[in-house]
Amino acid sequence: DAGVIQSPRHEVTEMGQEVTLRCKPISGHNSLFWYRQTMMRGLELLIYFNNNVPIDDSGMPEDRFSAKMPNASFSTLKIQPSEPRDSAVYFCASTSRRAGELFFGEGSRLTVL
Amino acid sequence: GQQVMQIPQYQHVQEGEDFTTYCNSSTTLSNIQWYKQRPGGHPVFLIQLVKSGEVKKQKRLTFQFGEAKKNSSLHITATQTTDVGTYFCAGPKAGGTSYGKLTFGQGTILTVHP
Repeated sequence: DAGVIQSPRHEVTEMGQEVTLRCKPISGHNSLFWYRQTMMRGLELLIYFNNNVPIDDSGMPEDRFSAKMPNASFSTLKIQPSEPRDSAVYFCASTSRRAGELFFGEGSRLTVL
Repeated sequence: GQQVMQIPQYQHVQEGEDFTTYCNSSTTLSNIQWYKQRPGGHPVFLIQLVKSGEVKKQKRLTFQFGEAKKNSSLHITATQTTDVGTYFCAGPKAGGTSYGKLTFGQGTILTVHP
């Protein structure tokens, strides 16, 4: 079975540009999570969705960050405008009540110059 | 808010030595999960403990959940180079209604010298 699929795997952009990260959760999972990982702050939960509905976005750093889940098989995390301090690895994870544990994608490594 | 602390932050061992990482939560947890992240990789689920005082083993790995459900430990016997990586504990706050919403510890980075 395919796992959580993220794209792009690597993104290098310049400050001020818009960045869109994409995620396809595991089929049948109804919860999706966006995490950010940095050396300084570790794994931080940004936002999560249940049944495509955003439940808790308290981890979103500021208004420059937005996330959507238009259907059960697709989610995006957008940063506009991007800043160098946004450089990090962004992970998407999905789960279901039956599964319990989180299944992570391989991550999108973002570098903002 | 809920905090999950792990110690040590780093651990360097010789191959064959044992390794232990400890996890402490500021709040009671409904369960504790452990993940491993290889260098350059993504977190991968290892195990979940649910019951107070629970102990589970996976080959050379032993996981414990404290009686108060606020702490946990992972012990690796006779480390191998394949054990290299960062080990994270994570847990949902007890009484929470949102499954899957985990607070992660900062992780313990394990390096193994052959």
